[in-house]
Amino acid sequence: GQQLNQSPQSMFIQEGEDVSMNCTSSSIFNTWLWYKQDPGEGPVLLIALYKAGELTSNGRLTAQFGITRKDSFLNISASIPSDVGIYFCAGQLNYGGSQGNLIFGKGTKLSVKP
Amino acid sequence: DGGITQSPKYLFRKEGQNVTLSCEQNLNHDAMYWYRQDPGQGLRLIYYSQIVNDFQKGDIAEGYSVSREKKESFPLTVTSAQKNPTAFYLCASSMEAGRRLEGYTFGSGTRLTVV
Repeated sequence: GQQLNQSPQSMFIQEGEDVSMNCTSSSIFNTWLWYKQDPGEGPVLLIALYKAGELTSNGRLTAQFGITRKDSFLNISASIPSDVGIYFCAGQLNYGGSQGNLIFGKGTKLSVKP
Repeated sequence: DGGITQSPKYLFRKEGQNVTLSCEQNLNHDAMYWYRQDPGQGLRLIYYSQIVNDFQKGDIAEGYSVSREKKESFPLTVTSAQKNPTAFYLCASSMEAGRRLEGYTFGSGTRLTVV
């Protein structure tokens, strides 16, 4: 099936650092979404993007829908300890039917530097 | 408040037994989904349903079964045919697939352990 390549797979953060992660695909997407999952919980939607080039912020989080519609990135500024968790990107290929289902990346795990 | 509820949170099953995971939503969403999550594997789609009394296999449906008799409910049965059932299971729902997605709403998950 379709795949999203999400990177990095994991990263360590120190409080106050900025964080970047991205997702790429060989397919064109109509929608890009970013989720965060805390341990033992379900993912929660952070940001939704619907237009190529769109840049959207949610507090310290900023995400962009790539111009080619094949990629998206998420930035977290001035990270804090509660930012740890797994971040997933998700894309929707087309509207309607099974093509309307989301495709998920494998996640980026954020941990605190020891 | 509207939401999606999964129960139980933790479930233990003996080998060879079937077990059913519950998922209920009061968001009036048309579509519902079941995902399996293993460490480092991301989310893998087991089954989905876009409308009552209809459902489709996802990428890893073998050893699982579902039903969609009511709009609010989409239970998942893990059968004895599932060779490696220990995992974290997530249920999600969304507005009908034909519209622009506002995103899936996820439940808080059920951790199934085979003992």
